Amino acid sequence: DIVMTQSPDSLAVSLGERATIDCKSSHSVLYSSDNKNYLAWYQQKPGQSPKLLIYWASTRESGVPDRFSGSGSGTDFTLTISSLQAEDAAVYYCQQYYSTPSTFGGGTKVEIK
Amino acid sequence: EVQLVESGGGLVQPGGSLRLSCAASGFTFSSYWMHWARQAPGKGLVWVSRINGDGSSTSYADPVKGRFTISRDNAKNTLYLQMNSLRAEDTAVYFCARRSGEGPWDYWGQGTLVTVSS
Repeated sequence: DIVMTQSPDSLAVSLGERATIDCKSSHSVLYSSDNKNYLAWYQQKPGQSPKLLIYWASTRESGVPDRFSGSGSGTDFTLTISSLQAEDAAVYYCQQYYSTPSTFGGGTKVEIK
Repeated sequence: EVQLVESGGGLVQPGGSLRLSCAASGFTFSSYWMHWARQAPGKGLVWVSRINGDGSSTSYADPVKGRFTISRDNAKNTLYLQMNSLRAEDTAVYFCARRSGEGPWDYWGQGTLVTVSS
């Protein structure tokens, strides 16, 4: 199974400041036949289901604010929130959908400082 | 509008059984692979099982293999998870989710809580 490791476990950021979350996979999730990284980012607020933010490592889902961006390739990925808003307080998960079983990182809790 | 609505969760004793349902609407259900994932209280997301569009291919996480069965009724636009021989460690919120082709899980249900306790 591909192990997804997120860091940090939690971070507190002031409103308007940048938040950066890292995700590392134990195996490359870059599929050579289509040159796509099979990596997604989700946001989950308390009592809610996960919401898709980013897929193919850097493609923003429709309706997701452009302050959210994803980068990286192969085994190392980053989710950046460029200017943190109050509504961004949540837990963020990376997920690889390159192989079965699909696996998630342990989550990063983003709080407002 | 795409909607996934889970039901069937509840309190069950260890060794008992439960069947979860996920009612889908707003899309051509038979065209999509579907997944179940779970989240234990205060913990992260864990994949449980998946099924292809016509129900001919399934896969399970090791902890549930031989105890859980995923199935679908495309005529009723409904996904199922039959859970047998339940254990305390199966206690979690169970989510169904749609996979977008070869892409990510783009829609999730609201979840249904399963509690295994005597």
